[in-house]
Amino acid sequence: GQNIDQPTEMTATEGAIVQINCTYQTSGFNGLFWYQQHAGEAPTFLSYNVLDGLEEKGRFSSFLSRSKGYSYLLLKELQMKDSASYLCAVRDEDYKLSFGAGTTVTVRA
Amino acid sequence: EAQVTQNPRYLITVTGKKLTVTCSQNMNHEYMSWYRQDPGLGLRQIYYSMNVEVTDKGDVPEGYKVSRKEKRNFPLILESPSPNQTSLYFCASSLAPDRAGELFFGEGSRLTVL
Repeated sequence: GQNIDQPTEMTATEGAIVQINCTYQTSGFNGLFWYQQHAGEAPTFLSYNVLDGLEEKGRFSSFLSRSKGYSYLLLKELQMKDSASYLCAVRDEDYKLSFGAGTTVTVRA
Repeated sequence: EAQVTQNPRYLITVTGKKLTVTCSQNMNHEYMSWYRQDPGLGLRQIYYSMNVEVTDKGDVPEGYKVSRKEKRNFPLILESPSPNQTSLYFCASSLAPDRAGELFFGEGSRLTVL
């Protein structure tokens, strides 16, 4: 499988910006994905990067650098409902998808 | 409503008693996959299927079997469950293999093996 690293926990204040980094080592990279998972619920798809650069979706943006094996998810204008675990996932050439352990983000008032 | 349905949602069983967790999707998706989620380890892929009659091992296939006889169904079979298979299991699907990262997840099945 892939080797995917992301921080375990992050805390931020409501209205602030948080950046969740993800580094990976892979053979046959074929896309990077971000998911959000609220406690006790299933993951939901947030974003997808296959080429270098920034993808923006409302308050959420995701960046990819394939040469550095690096991605980040940027959450802007944080809201209490953004408190969740954020999962970085990498797809290989065989369409196998591997997930990082997830980053738990806590938003404080 | 588009959804991935897993059953049972909760199950407590004993070592060695064969069980099947069913997964069904109503979106005509080609790609389906099973994951287990354990604290500190994240989601780990067990098996995946790119279409009917095509299945491949993920990162942790030992102790599990799958089949894909119909497009909509992808059951996970534990022939002889052991306590280390106690986990939260998710089934997921996507439109096609090249969309394999844009997964729709079922609600999860929490399995306890005593």
